[in-house]
Amino acid sequence: ILNVEQSPQSLHVQEGDSTNFTCSFPSSNFYALHWYRWETAKSPEALFVMTLNGDEKKKGRISATLNTKEGYSYLYIKGSQPEDSATYLCAFNTGGFKTIFGAGTRLFVKA
Amino acid sequence: GAGVSQSPRYKVAKRGQDVALRCDPISGHVSLFWYQQALGQGPEFLTYFQNEAQLDKSGLPSDRFFAERPEGSVSTLKIQRTQQEDSAVYLCASSHGQGLSYSNQPQHFGDGTRLSIL
Repeated sequence: ILNVEQSPQSLHVQEGDSTNFTCSFPSSNFYALHWYRWETAKSPEALFVMTLNGDEKKKGRISATLNTKEGYSYLYIKGSQPEDSATYLCAFNTGGFKTIFGAGTRLFVKA
Repeated sequence: GAGVSQSPRYKVAKRGQDVALRCDPISGHVSLFWYQQALGQGPEFLTYFQNEAQLDKSGLPSDRFFAERPEGSVSTLKIQRTQQEDSAVYLCASSHGQGLSYSNQPQHFGDGTRLSIL
């Protein structure tokens, strides 16, 4: 059974702190790894799609890295702002039609 | 709007009733997905359509669940004889890619339908 684990489950930081969280996935049959941000009362929004080992992607203050050989991806947020408060989901795909999501990391940024 | 639209936003039904959930994907998106999200969990894959063809329905939890996309655009997820364990948020997503190439394309999600079975 393919499983995607995210840690921590939740995280409380102060405005201005930098933070990071982890997504672990099976290292075999890797095809793509997605990161999404899901704010309360909104729909999940795509952040990154990563396909190559060693990939690094950046979007403003948010960046992500990928290690397909050991089966993990890190998401980093530099200088957290209250508007970064959301659930961050990662999703793994082996190249089939099925995408497997983790349970998410819920980030709370206090002003 | 230009995004994925789902309706209704909230649905309350009595156990045993049938429900139908609608998804209007982004125009021109070939791929369409349905997910079920239970409280505290990530979205779980239910089914995938490429145009009108349902290519993967391996995630549908029972034969009470049925999905269709007859003209390759709007999709309906139907749940017959609902049970309390069907209570969840049902998310629909669409993607520009098709076949296996969709796997490296981002999915665009709707706001979901929150289904509560009493």
